[in-house]
Amino acid sequence: GIQVEQSPPDLILQEGANSTLRCNFSDSVNNLQWFHQNPWGQLINLFYIPSGTKQNGRLSATTVATERYSLLYISSSQTTDSGVYFCAVNRDDKIIFGKGTRLHILP
Amino acid sequence: GAVVSQHPSRVICKSGTSVKIECRSLDFQATTMFWYRQFPKKSLMLMATSNEGSKATYEQGVEKDKFLINHASLTLSTLTVTSAHPEDSSFYICSQGRLAGVQETQYFGPGTRLLVL
Repeated sequence: GIQVEQSPPDLILQEGANSTLRCNFSDSVNNLQWFHQNPWGQLINLFYIPSGTKQNGRLSATTVATERYSLLYISSSQTTDSGVYFCAVNRDDKIIFGKGTRLHILP
Repeated sequence: GAVVSQHPSRVICKSGTSVKIECRSLDFQATTMFWYRQFPKKSLMLMATSNEGSKATYEQGVEKDKFLINHASLTLSTLTVTSAHPEDSSFYICSQGRLAGVQETQYFGPGTRLLVL
C-alpha cells in the first residue's frame, strides 16, 4: 500500500522560530491534508491541499504532487503551536496517516 | 464548521466488560463515518468505515466481532468494544468526511480515551 513518511519525527524550537515539516508519499493520491493534534488529542484540519500552495495566517502549505511531497511551514512559532502535525493522504476511499511530527515550542 | 461529538470522552472499565462509544454529527448528515484508534505517541490507525444502513467495512487485522460498529442513522455511529482487555486501552477517534465542491475534508470528534484495567 501507499506509504506516508513525515520528517522530522520530533522538533523542539524556541518561540518565534520558523519551521518546515515534510510529508513524502509513495504513490499518486486523490488529496492530501494536514492536521494538528493538540496536547488534549483534538485533531484540527489545517489544510486540504492536493496540489499548489495555500496560506492561513502564520501557516502555509505546499504540495508538489508530481514529486510526491508536501511541506507545512510554520512562521513565528507560538507555544500554542505545540502538538503533533499529521499529514494524511486519500487514495481509493482510504485515508492513510503519516506518523506525525511532534513539535514542541519553548517559551 | 462541522461539529462531531463523541461520548464518553474517557472511560475506565474492568477487563471483560463491553464499552460503547458514540459518535454524533451535530450539524451534518453523514452516510459514512470513520473510526480510528491511536496508541500513545503513535499515528492514527483506521479501524473501519461505518456506512449508514449497512455493515461496516473493517481494515485488515481489525476483529469485527471485537469492535462492533453500528451506523443506525445519518447522525449517529457507535463503536462497541466487546469483552474489553487491557490491550484495547487506546484513544478512539471518529471522523466524517464532507464534500465542499471538490474538496473532501475530514472532521474529527474529540476522541474517547479507554482504559481497561
